[in-house]
Amino acid sequence: EPEVTQTPSHQVTQMGQEVILRCVPISNHLYFYWYRQILGQKVEFLVSFYNNEISEKSEIFDDQFSVERPDGSNFTLKIRSTKLEDSAMYFCASSDQTGGREKLFFGSGTQLSVL
Amino acid sequence: DAKTTQPNSMESNEEEPVHLPCNHSTISGTDYIHWYRQLPSQGPEYVIHGLTSNVNNRMASLAIAEDRKSSTLILHRATLRDAAVYYCILRDYQGAQKLVFGQGTRLTINP
Repeated sequence: EPEVTQTPSHQVTQMGQEVILRCVPISNHLYFYWYRQILGQKVEFLVSFYNNEISEKSEIFDDQFSVERPDGSNFTLKIRSTKLEDSAMYFCASSDQTGGREKLFFGSGTQLSVL
Repeated sequence: DAKTTQPNSMESNEEEPVHLPCNHSTISGTDYIHWYRQLPSQGPEYVIHGLTSNVNNRMASLAIAEDRKSSTLILHRATLRDAAVYYCILRDYQGAQKLVFGQGTRLTINP
């Protein structure tokens, strides 16, 4: 079965540094998402992306965050200046449609640790 | 998206059926009922979804009450690999694309 691939699986960074988390969505999918999960807490929506534009973003997704689809296969999440509270597992997801019936396929996540 | 209510945790034995309940009394006519699960140290995984009729797939069955105010995810023969957090999520076909995860039900399977 096709899958969403995320790299790296673990990322350690110093506070204030920029990080880029990478995702390769399923090849024929058009809708892309980032979620995060702080240890022991709920999975939280960050942003959705379609047709090279942000469709929706949460309050968490402030000016420190950006997303990009630099080529036909990758989807990236950039955190410009990391804070301690950005430490979390970040999940990328993709789907081939929208409208309530679609399945979202999630990657295995990138564990980000900000020191 | 309308709210769902699930028990925080449930426990079952291996090779027995498991019935995971979900209440969604404010469901609207355009809401699909989705179930996802999250295995330890993994991303969420789609399980099943339905609108009005009961649904079956290779992973599970979804039983939807006639008034649609509740639903039950049925694992017919639980294995240790089914230990996970199960999320019941309503998706409005006219609404935003995102999935909104609640706390879910943590399912423990005893050998």
